[in-house]
Amino acid sequence: AQSVAQPEDQVNVAEGNPLTVKCTYSVSGNPYLFWYVQYPNRGLQFLLKYITGDNLVKGSYGFEAEFNKSQTSFHLKKPSALVSDSALYFCAVRDMMDSSYKLIFGSGTRLLVRP
Amino acid sequence: DTGVSQNPRHKITKRGQNVTFRCDPISEHNRLYWYRQTLGQGPEFLTYFQNEAQLEKSRLLSDRFSAERPKGSFSTLEIQRTEQGDSAMYLCASSYRDRGIDEQYFGPGTRLTVT
Repeated sequence: AQSVAQPEDQVNVAEGNPLTVKCTYSVSGNPYLFWYVQYPNRGLQFLLKYITGDNLVKGSYGFEAEFNKSQTSFHLKKPSALVSDSALYFCAVRDMMDSSYKLIFGSGTRLLVRP
Repeated sequence: DTGVSQNPRHKITKRGQNVTFRCDPISEHNRLYWYRQTLGQGPEFLTYFQNEAQLEKSRLLSDRFSAERPKGSFSTLEIQRTEQGDSAMYLCASSYRDRGIDEQYFGPGTRLTVT
């Protein structure tokens, strides 16, 4: 069965410092991996995806994520956090062998960036 | 705004009543998905359409739930005989398969409260 784990309910970081939001996954086949961000009263916004190729994927708003197959991880990173990055972040996986295209989401990690 | 739209944004209903939600996807997107999100959790897949065909339904989608996508455009999700456990945010997403793997674009959601 497919699953995603986001081990931290909340991540706190000071503005200007690097941030990491952790994600691990489990799928039967090869994974397609995604990060989404959710602001209050708004839908999920796509940040970035990993399909194949380079393990380091760059996305919107200066975010990037590193795919690690041996550790089955896809951690979200940003070199310098902004207060406006404070939001709820979701990692999602799709199994390449799954023809339904559905995404399996983690439970989310709240990022708080303090000034 | 040419993103995914959902109506209504909020719905309060009494237990036992029927409710219907509407989703208008991005116009050229041929795939449409419904998810449900409860407080503190990530979205959970409910069902998926490719054009007008409903190709997969989750076990979460009981007999009281029905979804349609006539003519492959907008979609409706109906819940009959609502229960308090149906209270959640219902999210719609759409995507378009061109080349590669399509990311899903989400609407703002319909928040359902069953009293």
